[in-house]
Amino acid sequence: QKEVEQDPGPLSVPEGAIVSLNCTYSNSAFQYFMWYRQYSRKGPELLMYTYSSGNKEDGRFTAQVDKSSKYISLFIRDSQPSDSATYLCAMSAGLRETSGSRLTFGEGTQLTVNP
Amino acid sequence: DAGVTQSPTHLIKTRGQQVTLRCSPKSGHDTVSWYQQALGQGPQFIFQYYEEEERQRGNFPDRFSGHQFPNYSSELNVNALLLGDSALYLCASSLGIRGMETQYFGPGTRLLVL
Repeated sequence: QKEVEQDPGPLSVPEGAIVSLNCTYSNSAFQYFMWYRQYSRKGPELLMYTYSSGNKEDGRFTAQVDKSSKYISLFIRDSQPSDSATYLCAMSAGLRETSGSRLTFGEGTQLTVNP
Repeated sequence: DAGVTQSPTHLIKTRGQQVTLRCSPKSGHDTVSWYQQALGQGPQFIFQYYEEEERQRGNFPDRFSGHQFPNYSSELNVNALLLGDSALYLCASSLGIRGMETQYFGPGTRLLVL
């Protein structure tokens, strides 16, 4: 079983739709949670960073973390064609754990926003 | 302010050869991590360098080795290349290794092994 599970999609939505992306994880030591966006043939770009449970909003993006359910989400409001990319969830346990600051990624969800 | 840079952008090698990939971290960062991303997959952690030492290592064989220089730049070396080593190799930099630091990624080096 993978430590981080992410539905690979692909996910296709019309422009203006609300997009929901999700990851589940099994390692209860994870406490730092990130969402990266990766355009084709490019490196991942950090979108959102959250610590522990709760919500964080940044413009059209909202990240949610539910540590009790080991579940994280990214919501994109008013989606735009420029949001078309692969979205990767990532998490780390921190220095108290042997895995330290290494990031463990989901396999990514490919999103297409159609004009 | 330059972000993370990697060289070369693309590389083609044959099985059994050796390859060296290079990374310069974002200005002010002192920690470099390397990841391998196979097509259609999420990045997999290879190892992390801090203070010129390998601090953590993922589940990769000894054919994968690295180095960090005093200016914080880093190299990834892969010996005895296999077809399965074909992937995008990503370098990420951060400040410190406490685990809460944001990691910024470079554009990657795309390696094709024939």
